[in-house]
Amino acid sequence: ETGVTQTPRHLVMGMTNKKSLKCEQHLGHNAMYWYKQSAKKPLELMFVYNFKEQTENNSVPSRFSPECPNSSHLFLHLHTLQPEDSALYLCASSQDWANYYEQYFGPGTRLTVT
Amino acid sequence: AQTVTQSQPEMSVQEAETVTLSCTYDTSESDYYLFWYKQPPSRQMILVIRQEAYKQQNATENRFSVNFQKAAKSFSLKISDSQLGDAAMYFCAYRSPNDMRFGAGTRLTVKP
Repeated sequence: ETGVTQTPRHLVMGMTNKKSLKCEQHLGHNAMYWYKQSAKKPLELMFVYNFKEQTENNSVPSRFSPECPNSSHLFLHLHTLQPEDSALYLCASSQDWANYYEQYFGPGTRLTVT
Repeated sequence: AQTVTQSQPEMSVQEAETVTLSCTYDTSESDYYLFWYKQPPSRQMILVIRQEAYKQQNATENRFSVNFQKAAKSFSLKISDSQLGDAAMYFCAYRSPNDMRFGAGTRLTVKP
């Protein structure tokens, strides 16, 4: 395994379901990120974890709940989502958040909320 | 809040020709970096080039170069000798000490 991996790659869920997205990085990085990518809109930075501590939460609704058990793994727990939450969710990692290092992205999870 | 604007949703270039993608940003910070990322179809996003705001010299990476105009808050990407593999979505990004912002992207098509 190399780089940043995400599972599942595709997910369809109803508005009452609870699901989780998983991200794993094999780069020895200390910072991990969740982004939301919607068509024709800028990528939205959702959460930042630096050395396992959440440092940024850009006004994300509470129906999205992140978890970072260690520097290599990042989860996004989903519950009672809305159809407008359908998007590509990207995970990324970098050496750390404090410095302006390049971010390495995973392939994303395509989420559809029905 | 800082914003990043890419005014060209789509661009097209002939193979071997040169194309320039535009990006403007808004900030009151003095310490920041700018990036161009490339997202090929169904593939992972990767870094193309990075520019430190305190450097006056424009960054260059092989066929990719930037035109960084700090006063105008402009950061365009020039791709020379375009290749079919350059076809992708290109995102301009801004990074300050406490923020990371992306533009909406420009879809580049390369015609053989």
